[in-house]
Amino acid sequence: DADVTQTPRNRITKTGKRIMLECSQTKGHDRMYWYRQDPGLGLRLIYYSFDVKDINKGEISDGYSVSRQAQAKFSLSLESAIPNQTALYFCATSDYQGGPDTQYFGPGTRLTVL
Amino acid sequence: DQQVKQNSPSLSVQEGRISILNCDYTNSMFDYFLWYKKYPAEGPTFLISISSIKDKNEDGRFTVFLNKSAKHLSLHIVPSQPGDSAVYFCAASEVDTDKLIFGTGTRLQVFP
Repeated sequence: DADVTQTPRNRITKTGKRIMLECSQTKGHDRMYWYRQDPGLGLRLIYYSFDVKDINKGEISDGYSVSRQAQAKFSLSLESAIPNQTALYFCATSDYQGGPDTQYFGPGTRLTVL
Repeated sequence: DQQVKQNSPSLSVQEGRISILNCDYTNSMFDYFLWYKKYPAEGPTFLISISSIKDKNEDGRFTVFLNKSAKHLSLHIVPSQPGDSAVYFCAASEVDTDKLIFGTGTRLQVFP
């Protein structure tokens, strides 16, 4: 079984709709992240959470919100989707212990906003 | 402002030869660098990393070189294999922060 899972894997929605992307992990990591990937722009950080009570904005948080329901679950919401939020979204986890941080990624969710 | 740059969007190499992927950065506070590999329809997977106190780290066919004065790192794959065909992302983290800054990626194609 995959350590980091994302649902759904693919989603097509319309402008103005609310959508939630979910991430679950079985690695027991405290830290979780949401990224989006766009062609030519690499991966950009949307939000991150270091524990259940900690939520932080990344470099492109506008138009997104997150919820850390438990150590293992981190959801990303688009309150009112717009076409330029069409992208590949990745969840990641890490187990930072005071040293260099390595992140482990889920398989991604391809979101299309029409 | 792109702090981590991969100026070559694609690279094509013959099987058995060396693949060299390059990455430049602008932030002198970066102290840790990583390479990730991504296949289609999968998430990025960690490949190899290097701390700023080193100039080389090797793991099997993969070697990462760091030139701090030039703010440049490179990933060498020797020998290249068709299964190495993927997108490679360079990433960096800054001292006392816990976030990774990713480059734009280089698509490597290894042909027979």
